[in-house]
Amino acid sequence: NAGVTQTPKFQVLKTGQSMTLQCAQDMNHNSMYWYRQDPGMGLRLIYYSASEGTTDKGEVPNGYNVSRLNKREFSLRLESAAPSQTSVYFCASYRLAGGGDTQYFGPGTRLTVL
Amino acid sequence: DQQVKQNSPSLSVQEGRISILNCDYTNSMFDYFLWYKKYPAEGPTFLISISSIKDKNEDGRFTVFLNKSAKHLSLHIVPSQPGDSAVYFCAASTSYGKLTFGQGTILTVHP
Repeated sequence: NAGVTQTPKFQVLKTGQSMTLQCAQDMNHNSMYWYRQDPGMGLRLIYYSASEGTTDKGEVPNGYNVSRLNKREFSLRLESAAPSQTSVYFCASYRLAGGGDTQYFGPGTRLTVL
Repeated sequence: DQQVKQNSPSLSVQEGRISILNCDYTNSMFDYFLWYKKYPAEGPTFLISISSIKDKNEDGRFTVFLNKSAKHLSLHIVPSQPGDSAVYFCAASTSYGKLTFGQGTILTVHP
C-alpha cells in the first residue's frame, strides 16, 4: 500500500516548455486534489476532482490543466511553463474518516522554471 | 484575501514544555478544521481535526481547541519532543474535501 505517489520528484523546465505531473493513489479514494506550496503562502488548491470523470477549478487554476484518467490517477499539465509556476506541487486524495475530512498527500514534485 | 492565517512564522520551545500554535480564520462558513504536520521534502501528514460543533479534541499529546466566537483555533502539544520539530499547517473546510490552508508555523523543539 504505497498511498499517494507522485512523479517526477524534481524537474527543471525552461520558460515555454510543457510537462505533466503524475499522481496515483491506491486507497480507492473518490476525490483527488492538486496543490502548490510557495514560501509564506501555505498550500493553495489548483484543481480538484470530486469523483472520477469530474474536475473543477480551485483557487489558482490559471496556467494549468488536469485530467482524471481513472479512479487512481490524476495528472496536472503545464502547457507553457512560466517562472511564476516555480513551486512545490502536492497531490492529495480524500477519504471520510469518523465524520470528518482527511486528505492524504504525496511526497511532492519540486518544479523550477527558468 | 487570506481566509486562514497563522500569524507566527516560527515558534521555539524547550523539550518537555508546551507548544501552542495558533490559527485565525475569517470565513464563518468553515465547519471543519484540521492540523497537518510537514517535514522537509515530504508531503503534509494529517495530525488532528475538530468539527465546529465541538470546542476541544484530544489525541495523545495533541489537543486542538476551537473558539468559534473568536474565529480562532489552537494546537497544544504537551510535552513537546524534538521529533515534533516540523512545519505545522492549519486548514479549514466548508465543503466536500476542499481545504484552505494557513501559511504554516515552523516549530523547533530544543533538547
